[in-house]
Amino acid sequence: GAVVSQHPSWVICKSGTSVKIECRSLDFQATTMFWYRQFPKQSLMLMATSNEGSKATYEQGVEKDKFLINHASLTLSTLTVTSAHPEDSSFYICSARVSGFTDTQYFGPGTRLTVL
Amino acid sequence: AQSVTQLGSHVSVSEGALVLLRCNYSSSVPPYLFWYVQYPNQGLQLLLKYTTGATLVKGINGFEAEFKKSETSFHLTKPSAHMSDAAEYFCAVSLTRSSASKIIFGSGTRLSIRP
Repeated sequence: GAVVSQHPSWVICKSGTSVKIECRSLDFQATTMFWYRQFPKQSLMLMATSNEGSKATYEQGVEKDKFLINHASLTLSTLTVTSAHPEDSSFYICSARVSGFTDTQYFGPGTRLTVL
Repeated sequence: AQSVTQLGSHVSVSEGALVLLRCNYSSSVPPYLFWYVQYPNQGLQLLLKYTTGATLVKGINGFEAEFKKSETSFHLTKPSAHMSDAAEYFCAVSLTRSSASKIIFGSGTRLSIRP
């Protein structure tokens, strides 16, 4: 089956630093990837839709200058949390849509970000 | 606009008992519906999905769900709970006619299994 990986699986950083999270589709091409954020004991909230070769589409209320998304290839999307603050601490999950199929997303294992 | 409501943030059943997790949706177009499971500190795993055709959908681990348009529901069931079923379950809905459909998740239901 389709596998999506994320790196790192967890990261701790100091306030004010930037953190990059990678999302890779390992055995398929993904023209569209999605980034979600999940607070403890809450549901997933869509942050942005990442399309290969074009600018990401951000959901209302998500700061695009703070959460930089790059989808440079059909197998890789990155999320960079810039000038991280403790309130950015969360579980970040990506998903990838198999090219040509609109109804199935495959989710990565998530990245736990803790900002001190 | 699409939305999903999961009734009950926490459900507890005995091992071997019936599992019923409730999900109601609203959608202006025929929906695609999903159930995902999330184990602690892990990503989401697709249990099952409904797109078109048969309204009773069978998924992995013995779970199934029935799409009832008249009730706008997509409840998840399993005849006999197992300890390994303890996890967080999310119902979700997406558009059917968009090339980059977003998935809207419900708030989740935590399933606990009593020995």
